[in-house]
Amino acid sequence: AQKVTQAQTEISVVEKEDVTLDCVYETRDTTYYLFWYKQPPSGELVFLIRRNSFDEQNEISGRYSWNFQKSTSSFNFTITASQVVDSAVYFCALSEAGNQGGKLIFGQGTELSVKP
Amino acid sequence: EAGVVQSPRYKIIEKKQPVAFWCNPISGHNTLYWYRQNLGQGPELLIRYENEEAVDDSQLPKDRFSAERLKGVDSTLKIQPAELGDSAVYLCASSFLDKRDTEAFFGQGTRLTVV
Repeated sequence: AQKVTQAQTEISVVEKEDVTLDCVYETRDTTYYLFWYKQPPSGELVFLIRRNSFDEQNEISGRYSWNFQKSTSSFNFTITASQVVDSAVYFCALSEAGNQGGKLIFGQGTELSVKP
Repeated sequence: EAGVVQSPRYKIIEKKQPVAFWCNPISGHNTLYWYRQNLGQGPELLIRYENEEAVDDSQLPKDRFSAERLKGVDSTLKIQPAELGDSAVYLCASSFLDKRDTEAFFGQGTRLTVV
């Protein structure tokens, strides 16, 4: 069965602090894809990153970085030097490449609040 | 490039009334999804179309929900009759699923309140 767990429901930090959002997933497929989406108050889900199961290289994009570890089934997301505009709900999601290809299984989301 | 467009943004109806949501995906995207997002939860898939065909509707409550994607472009999701528990945000997304690893792009959603 596929499952995504984001254990942190809410996180509050002060601007310029670093923050890591945790994501743990479960799947039986050997080929799968992991995603992070941002949902600001406007409601639209904004795509941030996609990772396939064969690529465990960590990735950095500006203040964002992602740590993918298959050994622990984790795909954590770090924001460096957080800003107020980073305040949003962040979702981790899993997509399996088999018959369910394209279907996203989302975690419960982590609400990040960055205070000035 | 225009994103996924959904309408209406908000809808308030009384229980037992019908309601319909409309979605226009990104041009050229062959796959369209409807997700439901309950308050404080992640979105859950209701139905997925590849072109005109519904390839995954296992999570769609078929007694009251229906969807169509005529001509493989825009789509309509209908609820009849609505129940109090249907209050949620209904999100439409689209992707080009020629390769299995393309990301889905989401619209802003329709927030439904059933009173």
